[in-house]
Amino acid sequence: ETGVTQSPTHLIKTRGQQVTLRCSSQSGHNTVSWYQQALGQGPQFIFQYYREEENGRGNFPPRFSGLQFPNYSSELNVNALELDDSALYLCASSSLWRDRRYNEQFFGPGTRLTVL
Amino acid sequence: GIQVEQSPPDLILQEGANSTLRCNFSDSVNNLQWFHQNPWGQLINLFYIPSGTKQNGRLSATTVATERYSLLYISSSQTTDSGVYFCAGTSGSRLTFGEGTQLTVNP
Repeated sequence: ETGVTQSPTHLIKTRGQQVTLRCSSQSGHNTVSWYQQALGQGPQFIFQYYREEENGRGNFPPRFSGLQFPNYSSELNVNALELDDSALYLCASSSLWRDRRYNEQFFGPGTRLTVL
Repeated sequence: GIQVEQSPPDLILQEGANSTLRCNFSDSVNNLQWFHQNPWGQLINLFYIPSGTKQNGRLSATTVATERYSLLYISSSQTTDSGVYFCAGTSGSRLTFGEGTQLTVNP
């Protein structure tokens, strides 16, 4: 069973740039969720993708966008980067059952983004 | 959305001691998970425990869904148990995390 993978591991950008982070879900899972974790805080939900469509969104502006591909992998795109976007970005995969219940979420190792 | 409160925020133990971490939820959750975050940021799954009690080695967890709380027990702690422990509950499509408990186990 392949675990959740993310790339890149580290990234440095300047304010105003755009960034794309990538995530491959665990085999057998059909949903991907993205979380932002600022230093010293718990992860915050950004959004979730199921069947290539957004399936729930947290309190993040539209410049945070995403995609899910037919193989269930996903991208997180952030436009017009701000200094406060510096954080650890975590991807999690899980399965959504027909009755809308979720099973356990498994996390990737994260991408550490620094915005200068 | 739901609020998740973890206590204590910080805990310092001597190796071999036991500890209990608590997680309270403001509303019902569908699922509940406990994680250990290592120094590199990786969230490691400890328990998936919507209700009842589970044990895995020196760790065990209990969730009382009707009273909206969960407990994580660590027995005979080791220095490798150090790190941040998070609980998180699922409401709808999202996991909502607490602020974590920073555990330090001294030799």
